[in-house]
Amino acid sequence: NAGVTQTPKFQVLKTGQSMTLQCAQDMNHEYMSWYRQDPGMGLRLIHYSVGAGITDQGEVPNGYNVSRSTTEDFPLRLLSAAPSQTSVYFCASSYFETQYFGPGTRLLVL
Amino acid sequence: QQQVKQSPQSLIVQKGGIPIINCAYENTAFDYFPWYQQFPGKGPALLIAIRPDVSEKKEGRFTISFNKSAKQFSLHIMDSQPGDSATYFCAAAQGAQKLVFGQGTRLTINP
Repeated sequence: NAGVTQTPKFQVLKTGQSMTLQCAQDMNHEYMSWYRQDPGMGLRLIHYSVGAGITDQGEVPNGYNVSRSTTEDFPLRLLSAAPSQTSVYFCASSYFETQYFGPGTRLLVL
Repeated sequence: QQQVKQSPQSLIVQKGGIPIINCAYENTAFDYFPWYQQFPGKGPALLIAIRPDVSEKKEGRFTISFNKSAKQFSLHIMDSQPGDSATYFCAAAQGAQKLVFGQGTRLTINP
């Protein structure tokens, strides 16, 4: 049981490039979410999904897209990266009240 | 607008001391208040959580105190150990899913 996995661990992008952050879970959880963590700001919710085919916006959705075609996977897409998107990104899945976080992806946008 | 305010930003305590981290929230619809612990290079992990129908919850050396009228809650760590050194986040949610996090507290326990 791997829990929540994220790839890549670290990525450097140039402004305007696009990329997809991968997230997968093997716990059959319906709810999945993406957060970004910035110094002094805690974690902020980007997008979330309550099940396959259903997604919704969180607190800071601008510049990010998501889709949920399967229960296991919840990728986060940056269509045109900006320096303001430099951050650490965490994916989480939850069963009832407990959210299980992945190890994170550190993204640097130059 | 920060819906959950956490203090202090950093805290240094001697081994065996009782660090206390405080959080205040604004949205009275919140009904789930967890604390997460994060070690460097790792994702946050649920430590302990409370619902507003109780004023205190203990799990091992960790205690949440909850004051519904003041819209405040706090984390106490009894008999703190160097291994407790980590960043702690409070959070709040309505329905336990869309968590709103505090800013985080970097806790250092000196030997």
